[in-house]
Amino acid sequence: RKEVEQDPGPFNVPEGATVAFNCTYSNSASQSFFWYRQDCRKEPKLLMSVYSSGNEDGRFTAQLNRASQYISLLIRDSKLSDSATYLCVVNPLSGGSYIPTFGRGTSLIVHP
Amino acid sequence: EAGVAQSPRYKIIEKRQSVAFWCNPISGHATLYWYQQILGQGPKLLIQFQNNGVVDDSQLPKDRFSAERLKGVDSTLKIQPAKLEDSAVYLCASSLDRQKLSGNTIYFGEGSWLTVV
Repeated sequence: RKEVEQDPGPFNVPEGATVAFNCTYSNSASQSFFWYRQDCRKEPKLLMSVYSSGNEDGRFTAQLNRASQYISLLIRDSKLSDSATYLCVVNPLSGGSYIPTFGRGTSLIVHP
Repeated sequence: EAGVAQSPRYKIIEKRQSVAFWCNPISGHATLYWYQQILGQGPKLLIQFQNNGVVDDSQLPKDRFSAERLKGVDSTLKIQPAKLEDSAVYLCASSLDRQKLSGNTIYFGEGSWLTVV
């Protein structure tokens, strides 16, 4: 089993739709979690951190389920500009340092 | 605040040639990473430095790849000899301090695009 697994998609949704992505991880010692956004031929950029209690930033909501070892990202009222690849990042603690491990990403296409 | 700087942005080489990439992290960031991202895949960690020491290089193909971070600031990643499957984007990133939970947001450079022909 891969350390971080994501459905590559693509998820093809109309503007205004709500879409959710899941990401599962295998290392139960993982301490922190993030969602990054990557536009075509660009570098990944931080979208949001994921906290145990769940967190919301405008149309974006991230949640963590430690028992089932997955994190989720919910996007409400999708915009054309949300089209991108969403990368899940998990940080297991190893040898005193956090080792950031990326999933392969989930592709989102928002169409008019 | 200046971001992570990388050069060159693009490089085309023939197989069996060598190539080197340079990275300058965000000022004050103790941790530096080199990731390899092949088209359609997520970034794969090649090597992680904490200051000038190696934290993790378990996925670095050491027979052809090498990296150093002298003086704990700039870093270079070298590939010699290159293979066709090395064609990828090489992303350098940095974070404040990987030994602290609060300091581990990663910031990426724009990447160095390598094509091996």
